[in-house]
Amino acid sequence: QSALTQPASVSESPGQSITISCTGTSSDVGYYNLVSWYQHHPGKAPKLMIYEDIKRPSGVSNRFSGSKSGNAASLTISGLQPEDEAHYYCCSYASGGTLIFGGGTKLTVL
Amino acid sequence: EVQLLESGGGFVQPGGSLRLSCAASGFTFSSYAINWVRQAPTKGLEWVSGIGGGGGSAFYADSVKGRFTISRDDSSNTLYLQMNSLRAEDTALYYCARSRSVIYFYGMDVWGQGTTVTVSS
Repeated sequence: QSALTQPASVSESPGQSITISCTGTSSDVGYYNLVSWYQHHPGKAPKLMIYEDIKRPSGVSNRFSGSKSGNAASLTISGLQPEDEAHYYCCSYASGGTLIFGGGTKLTVL
Repeated sequence: EVQLLESGGGFVQPGGSLRLSCAASGFTFSSYAINWVRQAPTKGLEWVSGIGGGGGSAFYADSVKGRFTISRDDSSNTLYLQMNSLRAEDTALYYCARSRSVIYFYGMDVWGQGTTVTVSS
C-alpha cells in the first residue's frame, strides 16, 4: 500500500482558513469512512483532530473540520492561529487490514 | 490521568533484536486496541502494527510483517513490540497510541512520548 498523498507544505495568514487535502484510492480513503487527522508539533506527541472522516473528538476546537469526496479527504482549519502551525497527517484504514498515513503537510501560519 | 509510557528503545546492530514496552494507566486497558506508530528521522508517521482489545487480532504493516510481533498483557496493562531482524530503515521514534475503541482503526486518541530505536553497525 502506498502512502496517501498530501501537499508537503501550505501557508496562510492568521485569521484565514486553509484546507489540506489527502488523496488515496478506492481501496482506502474512498471505500471506508475511516480517515483520521493528526496534528504534530515537533517534540510532542501527535494529537487526534478528526476521526471517521468528519467527527471531532471532545476538546478539539470547532475551527477544525473534516470532509471527504470520493478518494480525497480534507482537513479545513478556519480562523488560523499561530499555535495551529504544525505538521498535519491524514491516516486511513485500507483493505488488507493496514493503516496508511499520508506523507504529512507542514502548515505555516505567516 | 490517561497515559501511555514507552520504554525499551536503544542502539542495536543490524540483524539484532529489541523488545519495546508500553505501560498504560488511567483507563481500562483491555477495552481498547493499541497501535505502534513510528517516525524515522526527518520522515513522516508510519503505522507499524495494531492489536485489538479484548483478545483481538494483530495486524502489521508489510514493512515489518514476519519480523515484528505485537502482544499485550492485560493483567499488567502493558503492550509489547518484539522486533527481530532489525534493519537500518527501522531506525525511528516509536510511539504507542490508543485506539478509540476495541478495534484498532477508529482513530488514535492517546499517544505516548515515544522511545527511540537506532539500528546501526
